[in-house]
Amino acid sequence: GESVGLHLPTLSVQEGDNSIINCAYSNSASDYFIWYKQESGKGPQFIIDIRSNMDKRQGQRVTVLLNKTVKHLSLQIAATQPGDSAVYFCAENSGGSNYKLTFGKGTLLTVNP
Amino acid sequence: GAGVSQSPSNKVTEKGKDVELRCDPISGHTALYWYRQSLGQGLEFLIYFQGNSAPDKSGLPSDRFSAERTGGSVSTLTIQRTQQEDSAVYLCASSPRTGVGYEQYFGPGTRLTVT
Repeated sequence: GESVGLHLPTLSVQEGDNSIINCAYSNSASDYFIWYKQESGKGPQFIIDIRSNMDKRQGQRVTVLLNKTVKHLSLQIAATQPGDSAVYFCAENSGGSNYKLTFGKGTLLTVNP
Repeated sequence: GAGVSQSPSNKVTEKGKDVELRCDPISGHTALYWYRQSLGQGLEFLIYFQGNSAPDKSGLPSDRFSAERTGGSVSTLTIQRTQQEDSAVYLCASSPRTGVGYEQYFGPGTRLTVT
């Protein structure tokens, strides 16, 4: 399972700052990783993904970093905006599955104006 | 275009009653998934459909839970004899195909409360 605690981790940042959200995964056989954003009352929304043959991938204002040595994934959000406030989940394709995702517990990001 | 829709959006039921939750995937998506999200938790995989077949039901918590998919489209998740621990948000997702790299598009979920 995911190595996160029982309580939802929280991150509070000022508007315009950069945010870094971290995730540890436990299955070394997983080879595909995704970050999702979930706003209150909505389903998760895809942000960015990365395959295990890469260690970095950039999107619009977001960057995902993958460190397979320590089984660590991070999401960097540049110039964080109030609309970025949400719960962020990392997910892995469970042990290399081509359909099953295992999700982390999530991190609540709050952006202060 | 239309996304994944789920109904009802909220369901309150008494312990012991049966409930049916519905998912309408994006048209043309062959793969469909059910997840459960308890308060403050990540998503827990329940079942996966490829077409009308469910190759993986491993996540269903007990034999009170069942799901079906008809016409390669609509899916129904049924919970019999509901218990309080069944209270959660039930999320459905669909993807164009099965496979790594095919994005799973999520619906808004059904919030189930068992009293």
